[in-house]
Amino acid sequence: DGGITQSPKYLFRKEGQNVTLSCEQNLNHDAMYWYRQDPGQGLRLIYYSQIVNDFQKGDIAEGYSVSREKKESFPLTVTSAQKNPTAFYLCASSIGGSRMAGELFFGEGSRLTVL
Amino acid sequence: AQTVTQSQPEMSVQEAETVTLSCTYDTSESNYYLFWYKQPPSRQMILVIRQEAYKQQNATENRFSVNFQKAAKSFSLKISDSQLGDTAMYFCALGEGAQKLVFGQGTRLTINP
Repeated sequence: DGGITQSPKYLFRKEGQNVTLSCEQNLNHDAMYWYRQDPGQGLRLIYYSQIVNDFQKGDIAEGYSVSREKKESFPLTVTSAQKNPTAFYLCASSIGGSRMAGELFFGEGSRLTVL
Repeated sequence: AQTVTQSQPEMSVQEAETVTLSCTYDTSESNYYLFWYKQPPSRQMILVIRQEAYKQQNATENRFSVNFQKAAKSFSLKISDSQLGDTAMYFCALGEGAQKLVFGQGTRLTINP
């Protein structure tokens, strides 16, 4: 079945450690996104990529990094510079190739807890 | 900058009742998309309904319909004959250029038996 796979579902990290969240899609979508979800704040955009080898900062990119070396993959690294990394992280993709934002397809999310 | 506001953090209704979730937004664009997404307790977000701003007719998907008021920048979601499976967080989202969606804060909807 086509979809988006995020791993791991749960991750614990000690302060000062970098962690990488995986996101893989087999929908042949051009665009991929990372959102952060916190209670009462909805979803906030961290990074997005409209095409391989290109990505842009979202609204809360500080302390995060991404890469887009393959169309199917868009990993997110939460660095030690992120001051409050405990959150639920959602990866999404869309068909892309259009000026107008279209429907997003989401993974099941990864919950990161900093101890 | 585009913004999306959902003023109802939580709502609760009885099964089979009709419920309306509110959403207002702000954008300087004349053409854009509006979405309602559902996030059940299992956490995977799914699209409920989509509205294109240039279409005057309100979108409908089975028991879900929207009231799109472009001049007022309002986009409410009506759920008719609510079911227990409708219990979820609901997010309103605005999409305009650059392939980005901006989300509201969410409304937690509980359907009681």
